Amino acid sequence: GDSVTQMEGPVTLSEEAFLTINCTYTATGYPSLFWYVQYPGEGLQLLLKATKADDKGSNKGFEATYRKETTSFHLEKGSVQVSDSAVYFCALILDGNQFYFGTGTSLTVIP
Amino acid sequence: GAVVSQHPSRVICKSGTSVKIECRSLDFQATTMFWYRQFPKQSLMLMATSNEGSKATYEQGVEKDKFLINHASLTLSTLTVTSAHPEDSSFYICSARDRFTGSSYNSPLHFGNGTRLTVT
Repeated sequence: GDSVTQMEGPVTLSEEAFLTINCTYTATGYPSLFWYVQYPGEGLQLLLKATKADDKGSNKGFEATYRKETTSFHLEKGSVQVSDSAVYFCALILDGNQFYFGTGTSLTVIP
Repeated sequence: GAVVSQHPSRVICKSGTSVKIECRSLDFQATTMFWYRQFPKQSLMLMATSNEGSKATYEQGVEKDKFLINHASLTLSTLTVTSAHPEDSSFYICSARDRFTGSSYNSPLHFGNGTRLTVT
């Protein structure tokens, strides 16, 4: 079935370090892919999305490229800040139906 | 745009009582809303899909008589935890898709800020 696999956390980085959070997916068709971010005590916010192969989503310095050949949508940021500390969820939707979420990756950025 | 308001943000109740959580789409209409429960270590579990004007669709293992869902209008869905017990303590999050753009394959879910329920 359709699913999303995220790298397990928690991830701890120093400020200004490079971030990669891996996400791979399994889908029977051509899904749209999303990254959501959850700050402490809050709900999920859409961070970025990509709807077809080779699309790159970007927002707030974060980027992710939809790689059909590797079925991946890895999240990257060149220089993280303390304010980026949050939980990040990879998600997919196929044919307008149910969303499938990864298990989330907790990121802590230390000064 | 696309704001989902969830209320209350925190609630503490005694075992055996019922608690109602509201989820409102403030600037869009939602024929479908989703209720999630978030467990420790952050994993999200879809509890049910709330459909405006009809019965909710519950995921396997979710007790429909315990978690009552009502979606009476295009902007409001409620989740009532009946006869709450300490094991129901959790973070509950609602989400919705825009009625007009939500059928688009790339339309995102919009989330409320969640409700922290503590049952003592």
